Amino acid sequence: GQQVMQIPQYQHVQEGEDFTTYCNSSTTLSNIQWYKQRPGGHPVFLIQLVKSGEVKKQKRLTFQFGEAKKNSSLHITATQTTDVGTYFCAGKAAGNKLTFGGGTRVLVKP
Amino acid sequence: EPEVTQTPSHQVTQMGQEVILRCVPISNHLYFYWYRQILGQKVEFLVSFYNNEISEKSEIFDDQFSVERPDGSNFTLKIRSTKLEDSAMYFCASSARSEQFFGPGTRLTVL
Repeated sequence: GQQVMQIPQYQHVQEGEDFTTYCNSSTTLSNIQWYKQRPGGHPVFLIQLVKSGEVKKQKRLTFQFGEAKKNSSLHITATQTTDVGTYFCAGKAAGNKLTFGGGTRVLVKP
Repeated sequence: EPEVTQTPSHQVTQMGQEVILRCVPISNHLYFYWYRQILGQKVEFLVSFYNNEISEKSEIFDDQFSVERPDGSNFTLKIRSTKLEDSAMYFCASSARSEQFFGPGTRLTVL
């Protein structure tokens, strides 16, 4: 079945630094979504990417969808303590089923 | 802002007992989902529901699980005979199109 892998599993970042988390799917996706889950919270939708090579920005967050629609990345610039949480990518191949990656847990050092 | 609600927030049950987890999706949404998340692990898809029937389900969603939309507002997940490994956070989600809105979850503990 479809698998979605994310690296790194953990990301320790100094406040103010940048980092990137990567997502790879075993199958071609119709779209990819990104969610953020704060500790003890529930996943919250961040963005959806649909087109091959698409790039979207939300303030300090930049999301990219690969040309082959099998991979994606999330880049955060000037990390803040409010960025703490787990970032999940979730791929949709067909239908409405979302397959989540394992997540990147982000810890910010002040 | 409309949100998905779930009850109870925490359910403790004995192995072998039946549990029903309840969700109230956002009112104008047509697609409903259940996911589970074992502590510290990824979110796993269980089932999606549309037009009063299951549209997709995962390998996890075996005969012990069932879903129902008993009225116009509630969406329930029933686990017939709970096992220790069913202990997890269960999230309900709903969507109008693509973006899925998750509820706060029910933490199920099976003893």
